[in-house]
Amino acid sequence: EVQLVESGGGFVQPGGSLRLSCAASGFTFSTHEVNWVRQAPGKGLEWVSYINHGGTTIYYADSVQGRFTISRDNAQNSLYLQMNSLRVEDTAVYYCVRGWAAAGRFDSWGQGTLVTVSS
Amino acid sequence: QSVLTQPPSVSAAPGQKVTISCSGSSSNIGNNYVSWFQQLPGTAPKLLIYQNNNRPSGIPDRFSGSKSGTSATLGITGLQTGDEADYYCGSWDGSLSGYIFGTGTKVTVL
Repeated sequence: EVQLVESGGGFVQPGGSLRLSCAASGFTFSTHEVNWVRQAPGKGLEWVSYINHGGTTIYYADSVQGRFTISRDNAQNSLYLQMNSLRVEDTAVYYCVRGWAAAGRFDSWGQGTLVTVSS
Repeated sequence: QSVLTQPPSVSAAPGQKVTISCSGSSSNIGNNYVSWFQQLPGTAPKLLIYQNNNRPSGIPDRFSGSKSGTSATLGITGLQTGDEADYYCGSWDGSLSGYIFGTGTKVTVL
């Protein structure tokens, strides 16, 4: 069974940093593209970032470009999102999502981890 | 436009059919695949339709997708109370080099 388990969410003040992790299991992580997608409380879905299987192709939403960094460790079956210069509007549940973004085939989602940015 | 527009809500009685529209532009839907996602209350989204009209295994054929030009449509037939959820379309946007989701549609079973 495919499983994606996020961790690292929490409460942080504006301007602070946080690192999210996603542990993958049940499939060959190194051969799959993965993404981060977020959802602010009571709002819709927003794609955040994509990384290909080898980590050589990366895309970011304009809203996080220059502040967030996506990375992966295929040996550890893990995906990461380093979030710096956090803003109140970054408050959201962050989902780890398997799939090739260009095709929108987001076929597996984690349960999400909540990030709250507030003073 | 780099926004995918959906109606805020649609509703119908059990057993009936609903359709949800998703309007985009040539930079997204017009030249890229459309996917649809279902989000039941309090849960993570789930892929319903990918590459315009394909269903992942386990998704019943009551759900269907189509695309024409810069718009797409999700159809749900034989509506059930368990279909009450938020539905989102999505597509890659070549101008943004990023993925965009629609504004979301809440389906209510009367």
